[in-house]
Amino acid sequence: NAGVTQTPKFQVLKTGQSMTLQCAQDMNHNSMYWYRQDPGMGLRLIYYSASEGTTDKGEVPNGYNVSRLNKREFSLRLESAAPSQTSVYFCASSVGTSYEQYFGPGTRLTVT
Amino acid sequence: GQSLEQPSEVTAVEGAIVQINCTYQTSGFYGLSWYQQHDGGAPTFLSYNALDGLEETGRFSSFLSRSDSYGYLLLQELQMKDSASYFCAVDWNTGRRALTFGSGTRLQVQP
Repeated sequence: NAGVTQTPKFQVLKTGQSMTLQCAQDMNHNSMYWYRQDPGMGLRLIYYSASEGTTDKGEVPNGYNVSRLNKREFSLRLESAAPSQTSVYFCASSVGTSYEQYFGPGTRLTVT
Repeated sequence: GQSLEQPSEVTAVEGAIVQINCTYQTSGFYGLSWYQQHDGGAPTFLSYNALDGLEETGRFSSFLSRSDSYGYLLLQELQMKDSASYFCAVDWNTGRRALTFGSGTRLQVQP
Protein backbone atom coordinates (compact mmCIF):
# COMPACT_ATOMS: atom_id res chain seq x y z
CA ASN A 1 0.00 0.00 0.00
CA ALA A 2 1.94 3.03 -1.30
CA GLY A 3 -0.62 5.68 -0.24
CA VAL A 4 -0.32 8.81 -2.37
CA THR A 5 2.50 8.94 -4.92
CA GLN A 6 3.67 11.92 -6.98
CA THR A 7 5.99 12.25 -9.93
CA PRO A 8 8.39 13.85 -10.51
CA LYS A 9 10.00 14.71 -7.16
CA PHE A 10 11.96 17.64 -8.58
CA GLN A 11 11.61 19.67 -11.78
CA VAL A 12 13.21 22.76 -13.26
CA LEU A 13 11.39 24.55 -16.07
CA LYS A 14 12.09 27.59 -18.14
CA THR A 15 9.46 30.30 -18.39
CA GLY A 16 6.86 29.36 -20.97
CA GLN A 17 7.46 25.60 -20.84
CA SER A 18 4.65 23.22 -19.99
CA MET A 19 4.53 20.14 -17.83
CA THR A 20 2.17 17.76 -16.08
CA LEU A 21 2.50 16.68 -12.46
CA GLN A 22 1.19 13.19 -11.82
CA CYS A 23 -0.56 11.94 -8.69
CA ALA A 24 -1.99 8.52 -7.85
CA GLN A 25 -3.54 7.00 -4.74
CA ASP A 26 -4.22 3.35 -3.93
CA MET A 27 -6.56 3.87 -0.95
CA ASN A 28 -9.80 3.88 -2.98
CA HIS A 29 -10.44 7.49 -1.93
CA ASN A 30 -13.12 9.48 -3.70
CA SER A 31 -11.67 12.97 -3.29
CA MET A 32 -8.33 14.28 -4.49
CA TYR A 33 -6.66 17.69 -4.18
CA TRP A 34 -3.78 19.75 -5.49
CA TYR A 35 -2.10 22.31 -3.22
CA ARG A 36 0.88 24.59 -3.55
CA GLN A 37 3.10 25.62 -0.65
CA ASP A 38 5.39 28.62 -0.89
CA PRO A 39 8.28 29.10 1.57
CA GLY A 40 7.05 29.79 5.11
CA MET A 41 3.44 29.58 4.02
CA GLY A 42 0.51 27.30 4.48
CA LEU A 43 -1.03 25.18 1.78
CA ARG A 44 -3.23 26.84 -0.80
CA LEU A 45 -5.76 24.82 -2.74
CA ILE A 46 -5.37 24.93 -6.51
CA TYR A 47 -8.02 22.46 -7.66
CA TYR A 48 -9.88 19.56 -6.18
CA SER A 49 -12.00 16.65 -7.35
CA ALA A 50 -14.77 15.51 -5.02
CA SER A 51 -15.36 12.38 -7.07
CA GLU A 52 -14.35 10.73 -10.33
CA GLY A 53 -15.52 12.87 -13.22
CA THR A 54 -15.75 16.17 -11.33
CA THR A 55 -13.23 18.94 -10.76
CA ASP A 56 -13.57 22.34 -9.08
CA LYS A 57 -11.41 25.41 -8.66
CA GLY A 58 -9.76 26.20 -5.37
CA GLU A 59 -8.23 29.45 -4.10
CA VAL A 60 -5.46 29.81 -6.72
CA PRO A 61 -6.46 28.07 -9.98
CA ASN A 62 -5.09 30.58 -12.50
CA GLY A 63 -2.37 29.13 -14.72
CA TYR A 64 -3.29 25.52 -13.97
CA ASN A 65 -5.53 22.80 -15.35
CA VAL A 66 -6.40 19.41 -13.92
CA SER A 67 -7.65 16.04 -15.09
CA ARG A 68 -9.24 13.36 -12.94
CA LEU A 69 -8.24 10.50 -15.18
CA ASN A 70 -9.93 7.81 -13.07
CA LYS A 71 -10.57 7.20 -9.40
CA ARG A 72 -6.86 6.68 -8.70
CA GLU A 73 -5.22 9.45 -10.71
CA PHE A 74 -5.40 13.24 -10.64
CA SER A 75 -2.96 15.26 -12.73
CA LEU A 76 -2.03 18.95 -12.65
CA ARG A 77 -0.88 20.74 -15.80
CA LEU A 78 1.01 23.98 -16.16
CA GLU A 79 0.46 25.15 -19.73
CA SER A 80 2.96 28.04 -19.73
CA ALA A 81 5.10 28.09 -16.62
CA ALA A 82 5.90 31.40 -14.91
CA PRO A 83 8.45 32.15 -12.15
CA SER A 84 5.52 32.85 -9.79
CA GLN A 85 4.67 29.15 -10.04
CA THR A 86 7.93 28.17 -8.34
CA SER A 87 6.66 26.23 -5.34
CA VAL A 88 6.24 22.82 -3.75
CA TYR A 89 3.17 21.04 -5.05
CA PHE A 90 1.34 18.52 -2.92
CA CYS A 91 -1.34 16.11 -3.97
CA ALA A 92 -3.71 14.74 -1.34
CA SER A 93 -6.69 12.42 -1.12
CA SER A 94 -9.50 11.69 1.32
CA VAL A 95 -12.35 9.25 1.69
CA GLY A 96 -15.00 11.90 1.12
CA THR A 97 -14.80 15.68 1.27
CA SER A 98 -12.99 15.01 4.49
CA TYR A 99 -10.99 16.81 7.12
CA GLU A 100 -8.50 13.90 7.16
CA GLN A 101 -6.40 14.11 4.05
CA TYR A 102 -3.43 11.98 3.07
CA PHE A 103 -0.62 13.79 1.31
CA GLY A 104 1.94 12.71 -1.23
CA PRO A 105 5.66 13.54 -0.81
CA GLY A 106 5.47 16.65 -3.00
CA THR A 107 7.03 17.93 -6.22
CA ARG A 108 9.57 20.72 -5.90
CA LEU A 109 9.20 22.91 -8.99
CA THR A 110 11.48 25.75 -9.97
CA VAL A 111 10.65 28.01 -12.91
CA THR A 112 13.55 30.16 -14.16
CA GLY B 1 -13.26 36.66 4.69
CA GLN B 2 -12.32 33.08 5.52
CA SER B 3 -8.93 33.29 7.22
CA LEU B 4 -7.03 31.56 9.99
CA GLU B 5 -4.41 33.15 12.23
CA GLN B 6 -1.59 31.31 13.97
CA PRO B 7 1.60 32.49 15.66
CA SER B 8 4.53 32.13 13.27
CA GLU B 9 6.98 30.57 15.74
CA VAL B 10 7.00 28.97 19.18
CA THR B 11 9.99 27.71 21.15
CA ALA B 12 9.86 25.28 24.07
CA VAL B 13 12.14 22.89 25.93
CA GLU B 14 12.11 19.13 25.88
CA GLY B 15 9.62 17.67 28.35
CA ALA B 16 7.55 20.84 28.53
CA ILE B 17 3.96 21.55 27.38
CA VAL B 18 3.22 23.95 24.54
CA GLN B 19 -0.03 25.36 23.18
CA ILE B 20 -0.42 26.52 19.59
CA ASN B 21 -3.43 28.76 19.01
CA CYS B 22 -5.57 29.20 15.92
CA THR B 23 -8.17 31.92 15.54
CA TYR B 24 -10.60 32.32 12.67
CA GLN B 25 -12.85 35.01 11.28
CA THR B 26 -16.11 33.31 10.34
CA SER B 27 -18.30 30.73 12.01
CA GLY B 28 -19.66 28.61 9.19
CA PHE B 29 -17.55 25.48 9.26
CA TYR B 30 -17.82 21.78 9.98
CA GLY B 31 -14.67 21.39 12.03
CA LEU B 32 -11.07 22.32 12.81
CA SER B 33 -8.17 20.03 11.87
CA TRP B 34 -4.50 20.03 12.79
CA TYR B 35 -1.62 18.84 10.64
CA GLN B 36 2.09 18.37 11.34
CA GLN B 37 4.81 18.93 8.75
CA HIS B 38 8.51 18.24 9.25
CA ASP B 39 10.99 20.18 7.14
CA GLY B 40 11.05 18.77 3.62
CA GLY B 41 8.18 16.42 4.38
CA ALA B 42 4.50 16.11 3.66
CA PRO B 43 1.75 17.27 6.02
CA THR B 44 0.28 14.52 8.19
CA PHE B 45 -3.07 14.59 9.95
CA LEU B 46 -3.03 14.91 13.74
CA SER B 47 -6.53 15.60 15.03
CA TYR B 48 -9.99 16.97 14.33
CA ASN B 49 -12.61 18.81 16.37
CA ALA B 50 -16.15 18.82 15.05
CA LEU B 51 -17.64 19.81 18.42
CA ASP B 52 -16.55 22.23 21.12
CA GLY B 53 -14.26 20.73 23.71
CA LEU B 54 -11.09 18.74 24.01
CA GLU B 55 -9.99 15.78 21.86
CA GLU B 56 -7.05 13.77 23.16
CA THR B 57 -4.74 11.57 21.11
CA GLY B 58 -1.77 10.41 23.13
CA ARG B 59 0.56 13.34 23.88
CA PHE B 60 -1.43 15.62 21.59
CA SER B 61 -4.77 17.25 22.40
CA SER B 62 -6.86 19.68 20.40
CA PHE B 63 -9.50 22.09 21.60
CA LEU B 64 -12.26 24.05 19.88
CA SER B 65 -14.48 26.87 21.13
CA ARG B 66 -16.89 28.09 18.46
CA SER B 67 -18.25 30.83 20.72
CA ASP B 68 -14.70 32.27 21.08
CA SER B 69 -13.77 31.61 17.40
CA TYR B 70 -10.63 29.82 18.44
CA GLY B 71 -8.94 26.50 18.83
CA TYR B 72 -5.59 25.19 19.98
CA LEU B 73 -3.26 22.25 19.75
CA LEU B 74 -1.64 21.14 22.99
CA LEU B 75 1.56 19.11 22.90
CA GLN B 76 2.69 17.48 26.15
CA GLU B 77 5.99 15.87 27.16
CA LEU B 78 7.70 17.54 24.25
CA GLN B 79 10.32 15.55 22.38
CA MET B 80 12.96 16.75 19.95
CA LYS B 81 11.11 14.98 17.14
CA ASP B 82 8.14 17.30 17.72
CA SER B 83 10.14 20.13 16.11
CA ALA B 84 8.05 20.79 13.01
CA SER B 85 5.45 23.15 11.59
CA TYR B 86 1.87 22.80 12.73
CA PHE B 87 -1.09 23.94 10.65
CA CYS B 88 -4.70 24.41 11.60
CA ALA B 89 -7.24 23.91 8.84
CA VAL B 90 -10.94 24.57 8.55
CA ASP B 91 -13.55 22.70 6.56
CA TRP B 92 -15.92 25.56 5.68
CA ASN B 93 -19.61 24.73 5.21
CA THR B 94 -20.20 27.36 2.54
CA GLY B 95 -19.12 26.89 -1.05
CA ARG B 96 -16.47 24.29 -1.73
CA ARG B 97 -15.97 21.37 0.61
CA ALA B 98 -12.22 21.54 0.97
CA LEU B 99 -9.79 22.61 3.66
CA THR B 100 -8.40 26.10 4.12
CA PHE B 101 -5.07 26.05 5.96
CA GLY B 102 -3.51 28.59 8.28
CA SER B 103 0.01 29.79 7.54
CA GLY B 104 1.51 27.49 10.15
CA THR B 105 3.39 27.68 13.44
CA ARG B 106 7.00 26.56 13.49
CA LEU B 107 7.75 24.78 16.77
CA GLN B 108 11.35 24.49 17.86
CA VAL B 109 12.02 22.12 20.75
CA GLN B 110 15.28 22.79 22.56
CA PRO B 111 17.18 20.36 24.80
